[in-house]
Amino acid sequence: DTGVSQDPRHKITKRGQNVTFRCDPISEHNRLYWYRQTLGQGPEFLTYFQNEAQLEKSRLLSDRFSAERPKGSFSTLEIQRTEQGDSAMYLCASSLRPTVQVSNEQFFGPGTRLTVL
Amino acid sequence: AQTVTQSQPEMSVQEAETVTLSCTYDTSENNYYLFWYKQPPSRQMILVIRQEAYKQQNATENRFSVNFQKAAKSFSLKISDSQLGDTAMYFCAFMNYGGSQGNLIFGKGTKLSVKP
Repeated sequence: DTGVSQDPRHKITKRGQNVTFRCDPISEHNRLYWYRQTLGQGPEFLTYFQNEAQLEKSRLLSDRFSAERPKGSFSTLEIQRTEQGDSAMYLCASSLRPTVQVSNEQFFGPGTRLTVL
Repeated sequence: AQTVTQSQPEMSVQEAETVTLSCTYDTSENNYYLFWYKQPPSRQMILVIRQEAYKQQNATENRFSVNFQKAAKSFSLKISDSQLGDTAMYFCAFMNYGGSQGNLIFGKGTKLSVKP
């Protein structure tokens, strides 16, 4: 399977702990996106990378959140000092850089479900 | 800021019948993309259909078609010959046109149940 993969699929942590999620995009995709989805809501954009450069960050991405994509391949999303409000599904997606010839379709991973107790 | 509104939290349809899911959006941009994504229970999100705003012709993909009304900022999804496997959350999404813009803006979703 060469789709987008995420690890872990589920994470339960206590309030105040740090957590880190990993996303492996489709290998030829140079764009990688992070979204957060809470129950009953659509995904909300957090940040995205083009290769290793972080090009855009949402206001939702507080100082406790940091994302990296050091070699332009996999990405990590770290949440420091977790709060109960951080409980959500964290989705990763990847795409090619869109051009007139290349579609901007984003391919999503299965997500990491975070529960903060 | 762009917004996407899906006014139908839940819908149901009998197998083999047709159902239409509604979506409206708000933007001041002239060039953009619109998408419908499907999220089956406990499975990952997949693209159903996309529409470029500069194209007047409505997109179709097999049993799925859209009714794109640019002036009304409306983008509905029609599913014909509904199948049990169509049961899922359906999200309407907006994306600005342009190389530096990348993120999707999603609506809250419509939960579709296809009944046998």
